[in-house]
Amino acid sequence: QKEVEQNSGPLSVPEGAIASLNCTYSDRGSQSFFWYRQYSGKSPELIMSIYSNGDKEDGRFTAQLNKASQYVSLLIRDSQPSDSATYLCAVNIRENNLFFGTGTRLTVIP
Amino acid sequence: DAGVIQSPRHEVTEMGQEVTLRCKPISGHNSLFWYRQTMMRGLELLIYFNNNVPIDDSGMPEDRFSAKMPNASFSTLKIQPSEPRDSAVYFCASSLGQDGYTFGSGTRLTVV
Repeated sequence: QKEVEQNSGPLSVPEGAIASLNCTYSDRGSQSFFWYRQYSGKSPELIMSIYSNGDKEDGRFTAQLNKASQYVSLLIRDSQPSDSATYLCAVNIRENNLFFGTGTRLTVIP
Repeated sequence: DAGVIQSPRHEVTEMGQEVTLRCKPISGHNSLFWYRQTMMRGLELLIYFNNNVPIDDSGMPEDRFSAKMPNASFSTLKIQPSEPRDSAVYFCASSLGQDGYTFGSGTRLTVV
């Protein structure tokens, strides 16, 4: 089992809809969770961090964490074409190591 | 702050040649990471440094790869000799403590 797993997609949603991105991880001791956005040909950019169970909202983005289920998700409300990118889930495993999922490619259709 | 600075942005080299990638982390960050990204394997951690000391190099694929961090503001990743399967985008990232990482723009390496 990989440390961090995501559906590779592609995930297509119409403009204005909610995009839901999911991630599972293997280490029950993980404490820090991050979502990165990566545009084609660019570097990953941190958009959300979450450390405790529940929801964390930042603008149109909501991160959700369920440690019992070892599950992290990212919701994007009112999706815009500019949200089209690959979204990477990252989990802190073993001290300060961040392990990344392979990413979910999101396309928002105008 | 200029962010994490990597050079070169692109590198094309012939098989067997030595390649050196460079990174300047964000000032004040105490951890530095080298990642490799390919379509097949995604982002893979190669090595990371904490306070200039290598902590975990278990991701370095083989002895052809080496990394150094002689001071808090500079790190290198060297591949000698390079092979076509080393072609990838290499990212350097830095962080302070348990915060999320900030990535550099990456070096796209092509070995022909």
